Amino acid sequence: NAGVTQTPKFRVLKTGQSMTLLCAQDMNHEYMYWYRQDPGMGLRLIHYSVGEGTTAKGEVPDGYNVSRLKKQNFLLGLESAAPSQTSVYFCATTAVIHTEAFFGQGTRLTVV
Amino acid sequence: AQKITQTQPGMFVQEKEAVTLDCTYDTSDQSYGLFWYKQPSSGEMIFLIYQGSYDEQNATEGRYSLNFQKARKSANLVISASQLGDSAMYFCAMREGRRTYNTDKLIFGTGTRLQVFP
Repeated sequence: NAGVTQTPKFRVLKTGQSMTLLCAQDMNHEYMYWYRQDPGMGLRLIHYSVGEGTTAKGEVPDGYNVSRLKKQNFLLGLESAAPSQTSVYFCATTAVIHTEAFFGQGTRLTVV
Repeated sequence: AQKITQTQPGMFVQEKEAVTLDCTYDTSDQSYGLFWYKQPSSGEMIFLIYQGSYDEQNATEGRYSLNFQKARKSANLVISASQLGDSAMYFCAMREGRRTYNTDKLIFGTGTRLQVFP
């Protein structure tokens, strides 16, 4: 039982390159979230999904896109990476009722 | 609008003493959940405690308790008998309970860095 797995764990991109971060969960949870964590700013919500085929914008959605084609996977895309997107990215999942969120290990992304 | 505020960027506490980490929130919903997470230097997010908006009693989990004051919209975390291993970042979070389309955001505060000294 892996829980929540993020791929990759580390990545260095050049400005303008694109990439996709994958979040996979085997907990059958409906809700999935993508956050970025920057020093002094806590975890800020980028996009989230309340079910397969649905996505919604969070607090800081600009420069990112997401897709939830399958219930177990939530993809975060950067179409044209910028240095301001250098951050640690976390994926999280929760069940429908108010239960704890389960987090992936995080992805450290550096854009140079 | 949904919002979480943690006003203490950093806190110091001596080992074996109790410490309170502050959290205030803003929501227009009657149904919501409040959470506290710990993030040690290794980076993983560790769930500590949960409080539902309709729970009449304050939540407790071992050395952690949540001082829930609904009228004041505060959900402070109390750590009793601090240990050196409690040194970490602590995040307060909230999730509203509306189950309409595209709601149920889970948002976090900016965190408090707790340092426990001998």
